[in-house]
Amino acid sequence: DSGVTQTPKHLITATGQRVTLRCSPRSGDLSVYWYQQSLDQGLQFLIQYYNGEERAKGNILERFSAQQFPDLHSELNLSSLELGDSALYFCASSVDGYSGNTIYFGEGSWLTVV
Amino acid sequence: DQQVKQNSPSLSVQEGRISILNCDYTNSMFDYFLWYKKYPAEGPTFLISISSIKDKNEDGRFTVFLNKSAKHLSLHIVPSQPGDSAVYFCAADARDNNNDMRFGAGTRLTVKP
Repeated sequence: DSGVTQTPKHLITATGQRVTLRCSPRSGDLSVYWYQQSLDQGLQFLIQYYNGEERAKGNILERFSAQQFPDLHSELNLSSLELGDSALYFCASSVDGYSGNTIYFGEGSWLTVV
Repeated sequence: DQQVKQNSPSLSVQEGRISILNCDYTNSMFDYFLWYKKYPAEGPTFLISISSIKDKNEDGRFTVFLNKSAKHLSLHIVPSQPGDSAVYFCAADARDNNNDMRFGAGTRLTVKP
């Protein structure tokens, strides 16, 4: 158990809909990351937050958005969903968000768009 | 942008033998490299890392080698055990103010008894 909690574990929704994935970081960690893993793809970095502020942005679509709240939990919002958005979405956290620190992953949220 | 590449999607080795997983990167700004291991239905877990100031880092049965001139790193597992069967991800990061690591596509290692 990494200490990173993600909900829901599984989600099935229709195209065009909107979903929210939730993440609670490890106790004491200030930085949260979101990654997407599609079939046969590596972990694609989406976005990083540190203490409520966006720190880095990767290959995140404009239809997707995220935020980190004062209690440090984070939400990833996916809207106007398409079939290709079906993937495993991982949240991860680290103590301070700076390069070189190990990041710890949650178990992921499986999203299926039908 | 595939800045980190793992060209072998799978690898099968016999128990007790050496497993060698390879990883190549293209961004010369990367100076910190990690390997993560992932079991089914679990998130990736940190295995071992190496800074660009070193060319080798060892932790028990796991050794990571870095060849900066070739932009190549490898993970050696000796001896391999059936419990090592998992997907291994290579990751790379640049020393800056954020931790936006880039991951490879992973290599599925199967260690046969």
